[in-house]
Amino acid sequence: DGGITQSPKYLFRKEGQNVTLSCEQNLNHDAMYWYRQDPGQGLRLIYYSQIVNDFQKGDIAEGYSVSREKKESFPLTVTSAQKNPTAFYLCASSMSQEQFFGPGTRLTVL
Amino acid sequence: GQQLNQSPQSMFIQEGEDVSMNCTSSSIFNTWLWYKQDPGEGPVLLIALYKAGELTSNGRLTAQFGITRKDSFLNISASIPSDVGIYFCAGPDQGAQKLVFGQGTRLTINP
Repeated sequence: DGGITQSPKYLFRKEGQNVTLSCEQNLNHDAMYWYRQDPGQGLRLIYYSQIVNDFQKGDIAEGYSVSREKKESFPLTVTSAQKNPTAFYLCASSMSQEQFFGPGTRLTVL
Repeated sequence: GQQLNQSPQSMFIQEGEDVSMNCTSSSIFNTWLWYKQDPGEGPVLLIALYKAGELTSNGRLTAQFGITRKDSFLNISASIPSDVGIYFCAGPDQGAQKLVFGQGTRLTINP
């Protein structure tokens, strides 16, 4: 089936550790996006990528890093520099204006 | 930058009632998208609008692209429990390949 997968669904890490969130799509979409969502809040853009080997910072990129080595994959690393990393992270992809979202990863930093 | 304002922020209704929500902006949008997010899940695209004045339905959902291109409306008829969730409007950011999202309307239904 075509779609966007994010794994794992729930992730726990100790404070001070870097953690990488996975996002894979088999929709052959060129663009991919990472969003952060805090409880009761909207979506905030972290990073996005229009093509392989290229990406741009979104509104809240500090403390995060990404790579886009393959069209299908856009992993997000939450570094120890991110002051408040506990949140729900959503990945999306698009071919045109409509974005399609994965199921999300809930990261809890203890 | 561009911003989208959704209202109301939250709604508490009885099952069977009709629902109306809207999304407004101070700038023009050429596309309006409506998403629904179930608790703990990713948003799902409900309806996409591409032309001013366009009225599009998806089952019990109907959305309209405002004539001024600065607003859009979403209506849900005869609400059912599975309509619970957060509804987001979105539109393409001018000059950038990304979307601007509203803050969402949270819908709660009392059975």
